[in-house]
Amino acid sequence: DGGITQSPKYLFRKEGQNVTLSCEQNLNHDAMYWYRQDPGQGLRLIYYSQIVNDFQKGDIAEGYSVSREKKESFPLTVTSAQKNPTAFYLCASSMWGTGGLDEQFFGPGTRLTVL
Amino acid sequence: DAKTTQPTSMDCAEGRAANLPCNHSTISGNEYVYWYRQIHSQGPQYIIHGLKNNETNEMASLIITEDRKSSTLILPHATLRDTAVYYCIVRSRNTGTASKLTFGTGTRLQVTL
Repeated sequence: DGGITQSPKYLFRKEGQNVTLSCEQNLNHDAMYWYRQDPGQGLRLIYYSQIVNDFQKGDIAEGYSVSREKKESFPLTVTSAQKNPTAFYLCASSMWGTGGLDEQFFGPGTRLTVL
Repeated sequence: DAKTTQPTSMDCAEGRAANLPCNHSTISGNEYVYWYRQIHSQGPQYIIHGLKNNETNEMASLIITEDRKSSTLILPHATLRDTAVYYCIVRSRNTGTASKLTFGTGTRLQVTL
């Protein structure tokens, strides 16, 4: 089945440690996205990537880093510089290009708790 | 992208139609209305989108007013599984760049027996 997987579902880390969240898709989508969601709030865009080896900052990129070495994968690293990293992290993907469908498909999310 | 306004919460009896309103008075001519929903602790799910005509699919109907300043998402026969937060999003579609979605706080729909 085609879809987006994120792992792990729950993640605990100590303060000051970097942590990398995994996102993989087999939908052959060009674009991938990372969002953060805090309790009772909507989603905020962290980073997005339109093609391999290219990515752009979203609205709240500070304290995060990404890479896009493969079309299928878009890992997110939450660094120690992120002041309040505890949140629900969502990865999404979409096709893009003139006339293409670009609805975003979301993964199940990773809930990160920093102790 | 145009800003949207939605009620914070709504209730609906199971089996009845759920009508979720959205105001987007500053929408521009090339902007579409999208609806997503998010069931608790899951990723958002695309429901439907439209430009100016009413749209219907297997999940819902979207009614857009003639002046396009507001719209209503209709779930014709709500079930308990439709309990979720519903997000109305307005944005230009496929401008050649990745499609950033701006999520507000949405409407929390509670379907009850």
